[in-house]
Amino acid sequence: ETGVTQSPTHLIKTRGQQVTLRCSSQSGHNTVSWYQQALGQGPQFIFQYYREEENGRGNFPPRFSGLQFPNYSSELNVNALELDDSALYLCASSLGTSGRAEQFFGPGTRLTVL
Amino acid sequence: AQSVTQLGSHVSVSEGALVLLRCNYSSSVPPYLFWYVQYPNKGLQLLLKYTSAATLVKGINGFEAEFKKSETSFHLTKPSAHMSDAAEYFCAVTEMKTSYDKVIFGPGTSLSVIP
Repeated sequence: ETGVTQSPTHLIKTRGQQVTLRCSSQSGHNTVSWYQQALGQGPQFIFQYYREEENGRGNFPPRFSGLQFPNYSSELNVNALELDDSALYLCASSLGTSGRAEQFFGPGTRLTVL
Repeated sequence: AQSVTQLGSHVSVSEGALVLLRCNYSSSVPPYLFWYVQYPNKGLQLLLKYTSAATLVKGINGFEAEFKKSETSFHLTKPSAHMSDAAEYFCAVTEMKTSYDKVIFGPGTSLSVIP
């Protein structure tokens, strides 16, 4: 059983650019949640995908969008990057959307916006 | 809306001493509660979770937490700190939505262990 993987590990972009981050969920998991963790803060919920549909969203603007594929891997896309988008982006996979289901986190993608 | 507070953004303990990390949540309805640990440049790892069974929850690496509804608290403890416990610790709570349970994290407590 493989764990949650994310790519790339690090990324540097400039303001106004677009970025795509990728996440491979743990085998058998059908739910992926994305979080933004700014330096020195706790993770903030961006959105969740369940069986290829966006199932819930936090307080993030529409320029944050995502996809989930039939194999349950997922992408996070951010358009028109802003300096405040610099953060560690974490994805977590789980079996189902209940809070009882354990979320397994990937190591994250460190995004720096200059 | 749910919120989580963690008293003390940074806690230092001596090796072998008691570890106590504090967490309070805002809900009037007992939710699911979690403690996660994050080592430098790593993702989050679940230490333990409360899901309305026993109020004293035992987790990995010798950690445990007690759910106290009357105090809306879920403090994390470990009897004897080890150097390898130095990390960032996050308390989290779920907020029930229509189609899913949203996980809300606290701001974190950085634990240092002094030899």
